[in-house]
Amino acid sequence: EVQLVESGGDLVQPGGSLRLSCAASGFTFSTYWMTWVRQAPGKGLEWVANIKEDRSETYYVDSVKGRFTISRDNAKNSLYLQMNSLGADDTAVYYCARGRYSHTWWGQGALVTVTS
Amino acid sequence: QSALTQPASVSGSPGQSITISCAGTSSDVGGYNYVSWYQQHPGKAPKLMIYGVNNRPSGVSNRFSGSKSGNTASLTISGLQAEDEADYYCSSYASSSTEVFGSGTKVTVL
Repeated sequence: EVQLVESGGDLVQPGGSLRLSCAASGFTFSTYWMTWVRQAPGKGLEWVANIKEDRSETYYVDSVKGRFTISRDNAKNSLYLQMNSLGADDTAVYYCARGRYSHTWWGQGALVTVTS
Repeated sequence: QSALTQPASVSGSPGQSITISCAGTSSDVGGYNYVSWYQQHPGKAPKLMIYGVNNRPSGVSNRFSGSKSGNTASLTISGLQAEDEADYYCSSYASSSTEVFGSGTKVTVL
């Protein structure tokens, strides 16, 4: 059974940093693009970033470029999102999802709250 | 990277059909056949309902169908049921290898 389990969500002060992890199981992780999607409280879904199977390509939404870094460790079947210079607008549930153009499998989400 | 435009809400009675639109541009919806639709119940992760404009994943009811004309995609739910009440989001591959989601539509079953 495919499973994606996010961790690392927390309360953080403005300007702070946080690293989210997503542990994958039940499929060959190294053969899939992976994606991060976020959802602010009461708001819609927002694509954040994605990464190619071999880490050779990464893409970001404009609002996080230069602040967030997506990465993966295929040996550990894990996806990461390093978030720096966090602001209130980054408060959201962050989901990891399998795939590039469509996402059949999603994690349960990790809540990131940026507040002073 | 502007969100695709969806109606804020759509409603229908049980058994009826409803259609949700998703308006984009030639740089996303109109330029690629990579439109997906997701259903999201409160507090839950999104569920893929349609991919590649009009393909249903295994296990998704055939009451759900997708289409596209120009820069606008559509999701039709036929034979509306109480369990279909949820938020629905479209998404599309966009230029520069990015993805964009729609603004979301709340479906209410009357």
